[in-house]
Amino acid sequence: KAGVTQTPRYLIKTRGQQVTLSCSPISGHRSVSWYQQTPGQGLQFLFEYFSETQRNKGNFPGRFSGRQFSNSRSEMNVSTLELGDSALYLCASSLAPDRPDTEAFFGQGTRLTVV
Amino acid sequence: AQSVTQLDSHVSVSEGTPVLLRCNYSSSYSPSLFWYVQHPNKGLQLLLKYTSAATLVKGINGFEAEFKKSETSFHLTKPSAHMSDAAEYFCVVSDGTSGTYKYIFGTGTRLKVLA
Repeated sequence: KAGVTQTPRYLIKTRGQQVTLSCSPISGHRSVSWYQQTPGQGLQFLFEYFSETQRNKGNFPGRFSGRQFSNSRSEMNVSTLELGDSALYLCASSLAPDRPDTEAFFGQGTRLTVV
Repeated sequence: AQSVTQLDSHVSVSEGTPVLLRCNYSSSYSPSLFWYVQHPNKGLQLLLKYTSAATLVKGINGFEAEFKKSETSFHLTKPSAHMSDAAEYFCVVSDGTSGTYKYIFGTGTRLKVLA
């Protein structure tokens, strides 16, 4: 069974540009969540999608957005990149997002460097 | 609001000696708690989870954790450390206060295993 796949694995962008990251969840999983990991802030929740609808959003500016397609694949977009957006972006998929004990399966992440 | 506090940012042990990684939680109701491990340049892997079925939870690779409500703790232990255990460990609580569930991560504990 294939795991969560994130592409690309590494990205280097310039300040002011925009970037799109992709996540393919485990087959059958309809919930996809995104997290940002930085040395200073740790792991922080960005947003969660289920059946193409954003159901939960973390405390990030509107430059961070996402979407989910009918096949459950998800993309996140960051516009007008800032140096502080440099981070490891992790995607997680799960079966049943409405249960507190639901296990999330994580991809290897996309490491974004903004220069 | 739900939160977790990992009491040690770094822990060093010798190979073959016990491991103890400490986590305290704050929750207004019975929490769902998880421990995840992150090896360098890898995603997060679930070690174990607590969902109120049993206070002593056994996970993969010989790890276990005990839920202690009176101490609001969920410490991770392993009887004998192996070199391959060197990684960063995250204590996680599942937070459903916004209607759907998302993970709240601790700040992580980096485990170093000395030969």
